[in-house]
Amino acid sequence: AQSVTQLGSHVSVSEGALVLLRCNYSSSVPPYLFWYVQYPNQGLQLLLKYTTGATLVKGINGFEAEFKKSETSFHLTKPSAHMSDAAEYFCAAYAMRFGAGTRLTVKP
Amino acid sequence: DAGVTQSPTHLIKTRGQHVTLRCSPISGHKSVSWYQQVLGQGPQFIFQYYEKEERGRGNFPDRFSARQFPNYSSELNVNALLLGDSALYLCASSLQAGANVLTFGAGSRLTVL
Repeated sequence: AQSVTQLGSHVSVSEGALVLLRCNYSSSVPPYLFWYVQYPNQGLQLLLKYTTGATLVKGINGFEAEFKKSETSFHLTKPSAHMSDAAEYFCAAYAMRFGAGTRLTVKP
Repeated sequence: DAGVTQSPTHLIKTRGQHVTLRCSPISGHKSVSWYQQVLGQGPQFIFQYYEKEERGRGNFPDRFSARQFPNYSSELNVNALLLGDSALYLCASSLQAGANVLTFGAGSRLTVL
């Protein structure tokens, strides 16, 4: 069965620092992959998606993710963190299997 | 355009009771999915409906049921509530079934006492 693993339940960075949130999937067939963000007391909002084609995917708010089949990974990055990026981030495969989430804290 | 709307936003029930949660998808979206999000965890897939037919079911007991109406809105029903059913229930809509981009509502927070 497909599964999604997010390494690190909590990541803390300083404002302006690189953000790296890790996601690995387990599947013999490369899945459709998604990153969603959830702000307190809200539903999930799509950041970006990978289906086929270019392995570097750009999303909203300056986030991007790279699909690496050899590593079964789909890590989310942002070059410079902003205070408004503080939220919970979820990686998902096939739109039905979500990781446990990573809470991003941004320190001033 | 209105997004995905869910009702009620908050509700409190006691063990053994029944609850019905409602969801209206984005106009033009024909698929609705339901997720359970327990505090501190990722969303767990419960059901997906497309064109009023069940297209997928997660690992939940038969106490959980759902349906989709001709206008594509949906209801999630949970019978014989347990304390462990306390969670945020998220509804998401998409154009089609399967691995499509989901647009989520803000959720219905259920507390079971």
